[in-house]
Amino acid sequence: GAGVSQSPSNKVTEKGKDVELRCDPISGHTALYWYRQSLGQGLEFLIYFQGNSAPDKSGLPSDRFSAERTGGSVSTLTIQRTQQEDSAVYLCASSLDLGEYSPLHFGNGTRLTVT
Amino acid sequence: SQQGEEDPQALSIQEGENATMNCSYKTSINNLQWYRQNSGRGLVHLILIRSNEREKHSGRLRVTLDTSKKSSSLLITASRAADTASYFCAPTGNQFYFGTGTSLTVIP
Repeated sequence: GAGVSQSPSNKVTEKGKDVELRCDPISGHTALYWYRQSLGQGLEFLIYFQGNSAPDKSGLPSDRFSAERTGGSVSTLTIQRTQQEDSAVYLCASSLDLGEYSPLHFGNGTRLTVT
Repeated sequence: SQQGEEDPQALSIQEGENATMNCSYKTSINNLQWYRQNSGRGLVHLILIRSNEREKHSGRLRVTLDTSKKSSSLLITASRAADTASYFCAPTGNQFYFGTGTSLTVIP
């Protein structure tokens, strides 16, 4: 079946503009995760969803970042008033459930460049 | 947090050699997972080892876990150029935190 799909694959935006990043998880996966990866760095955990609910938003870097998930499926990560330090690859992953024995399935990411 | 830290940061070996990378963590875990990331791609799950297991094999991969030392190792035997990638460990409780990874280069 189809894997995790992220769009766009690349996004170049001007500083101060808002951007929306989209993630389509694997059908039937109830858990969804967002990570940020800066060049040559590890993965920074941002937020996770169980169904449509995000119990812990403390990983979001600032109040310019928000995320939602509707219908237990598609998720969008929105960055308002983008800054140059927001430039990174944003990775989405889904898993069958929130259980720790469910491996994560990753999309190929959205590469965001803020000029 | 349950973030793992991989060591070494970078490793370069000749094709056919074995590659060993290590992971250390600080909190109690229920399992530990290893992932691979090829350049420009997302992470791919390789193997999961439960806290009550000491060793696990999958093809050319061998994973060990020492919960008393809070450490794990990933051994790739008979490496191939296609194994060139970054490798991450994820010690897991109920969330997934990744370290900075080990960048492996296998020279043909």
